[in-house]
Amino acid sequence: GEDVEQSLFLSVREGDSSVINCTYTDSSSTYLYWYKQEPGAGLQLLTYIFSNMDMKQDQRLTVLLNKKDKHLSLRIADTQTGDSAIYFCAETDTGRRALTFGSGTRLQVQP
Amino acid sequence: GAGVSQSPSNKVTEKGKDVELRCDPISGHTALYWYRQSLGQGLEFLIYFQGNSAPDKSGLPSDRFSAERTGGSVSTLTIQRTQQEDSAVYLCASSYSQETQYFGPGTRLLVL
Repeated sequence: GEDVEQSLFLSVREGDSSVINCTYTDSSSTYLYWYKQEPGAGLQLLTYIFSNMDMKQDQRLTVLLNKKDKHLSLRIADTQTGDSAIYFCAETDTGRRALTFGSGTRLQVQP
Repeated sequence: GAGVSQSPSNKVTEKGKDVELRCDPISGHTALYWYRQSLGQGLEFLIYFQGNSAPDKSGLPSDRFSAERTGGSVSTLTIQRTQQEDSAVYLCASSYSQETQYFGPGTRLLVL
């Protein structure tokens, strides 16, 4: 079945860039997503990328997709303490509407 | 506009009791999803409704779990004879198109 993997933890200093990585196994993935979850809250959709794109930029967020290696990354520029949260990578394809999530990466931003 | 809402926000129940969790999707969204988030299993898909089509129940973990969606809007997830391993956060999401699913705040269920 589909599998999505992420590293569990990332610590950065305020003002630095953060890069969160994700790998997936489903070669028919159509959409790939990044969600943010703050403590006690639901999932906030940050951004998504269609599989025929290799980059998408939205303000401080840059998503890079390497479809050959099945690797997705999220770069957060000028990371702030408010960016501290768990970030989930997710994917789906045209035949399967449900999202398959990674285990989440906890981002800790140190002042 | 209003986002996805879920109720209750927290539910504590005794093992063996039935519980009902409610989801109000974003108005106009035709698709509705239930997911479960637990420490041991991460985020798992449970069930998906799209318009008047038969739901995709492939993620339901046992026949104690069921869900319905009335009038193409509000959905209720029912867990019968709850077990301690059912303790988790139950998340509902809705979407208008395949690209984007918007999540509610979740219902935190604790089975004692």
